[in-house]
Amino acid sequence: DIVMTQSPDSLAVSLGERATINCKSSQSVLYSSNNKNYLAWYQQKSGQPPKLLFYWASTRESGVPDRFSGSGSGTDFTLTISSLQAEDVAVYYCQQYYSTPYSFGQGTKLEIK
Amino acid sequence: QVQLQESGPGLVKPSQTLSLTCTVSGGSISSGDYYWNWIRQPPGKGLEWIGYIYYSGSTYYNPSLKSRITISVDTSKNQFSLKLSSVTAADTAVYYCARGYDPPYFDLWGRGTLVTVSS
Repeated sequence: DIVMTQSPDSLAVSLGERATINCKSSQSVLYSSNNKNYLAWYQQKSGQPPKLLFYWASTRESGVPDRFSGSGSGTDFTLTISSLQAEDVAVYYCQQYYSTPYSFGQGTKLEIK
Repeated sequence: QVQLQESGPGLVKPSQTLSLTCTVSGGSISSGDYYWNWIRQPPGKGLEWIGYIYYSGSTYYNPSLKSRITISVDTSKNQFSLKLSSVTAADTAVYYCARGYDPPYFDLWGRGTLVTVSS
């Protein structure tokens, strides 16, 4: 099974500043035949279901603000918020869909400093 | 606009079977474009993928739960269902149904339903 590990577990960033969340997989989620990384990012606000932000590691879901970006390849991935807004307070999860059982990171709680 | 809605008992006794249904509205579960998933989240904890079903009835379950899970589909009602047997307090969680692509990242989620296992 692929284990997803996020860092840090929690993060406090000032409004307007950059927030960076890391995700590491225990084995590569890059499929060589199509050169795609089988990695998604989700945002979960309090009391709500998760919301898809990115798939294929860096493809932004429709409607997601462009201050959010996803990057990385192989085993190391990053979610970046370039200028933190109050509405970005949430828990963020990465998920691999390279192989079953599909698995999520433990989550990173993002707060305002 | 496609929506998913979970339904079922909020309280289940230990050793009994948890049963939930997800109703898909605004679109057909038989479209063939998606896999239909169950995902759970214990209170204050992270997300665990439980399994999926395709409209044809083919399934794949998380091996950690495989011996206790049945996922089924009723295309005539545009619903899919989860049964989890022999529940314990560790199965207390918010259960989500979610639509997934192939391979599944999950683009559409239900609001979730809290199921508590307690006597």
